Amino acid sequence: ILNVEQSPQSLHVQEGDSTNFTCSFPSSNFYALHWYRWETAKSPEALFVMTLNGDEKKKGRISATLNTKEGYSYLYIKGSQPEDSATYLCAFLSNFGNEKLTFGTGTRLTIIP
Amino acid sequence: EPEVTQTPSHQVTQMGQEVILRCVPISNHLYFYWYRQILGQKVEFLVSFYNNEISEKSEIFDDQFSVERPDGSNFTLKIRSTKLEDSAMYFCASSPGTALPNTGELFFGEGSRLTVL
Repeated sequence: ILNVEQSPQSLHVQEGDSTNFTCSFPSSNFYALHWYRWETAKSPEALFVMTLNGDEKKKGRISATLNTKEGYSYLYIKGSQPEDSATYLCAFLSNFGNEKLTFGTGTRLTIIP
Repeated sequence: EPEVTQTPSHQVTQMGQEVILRCVPISNHLYFYWYRQILGQKVEFLVSFYNNEISEKSEIFDDQFSVERPDGSNFTLKIRSTKLEDSAMYFCASSPGTALPNTGELFFGEGSRLTVL
């Protein structure tokens, strides 16, 4: 069983503040790590797919880093806005040659105006 | 912008009944998936489908479950005889992909909520 954990489970952040949260995953048999944003009543939307140790990706105010040797990824949001309120999911893909993404429980982010 | 669409958005059924959840993936995508989330739990992989056949399935995907792509556009998940524990949000996803295993991002539908009474 692959263990993918996210912390914190939920987070309240004042509008304008920056924040970050963590995804931890197995440090062996790594193939890829996905981040998704899931707004209530909508479909999960891909933010990043990361494959290389040390990778850093950015999309607007959101960025992510990847450390495959120690098995963690951070997602950063700079200058939080109300529209950032969502659940952020990470998902791990192993190099077992399979198709299965193993998801974490998600971090529910609420931005307080 | 192309999107994955799922129907129905919500279905209530009696235990033991058959249910078919329908999905229309993005048209030029090659990989298709079903995931589900039981309330309060993690999103779980059910099955992946590539080149008109199942490429992988999880332990959850037992003989009660089947998938089909009957006409080149729809991708369906059938549960033959529903159980109470099948109550969940079922997500269809597709991905363009060019190789196995596919590392590309998944494009999800909005989900079909199944309630089994």
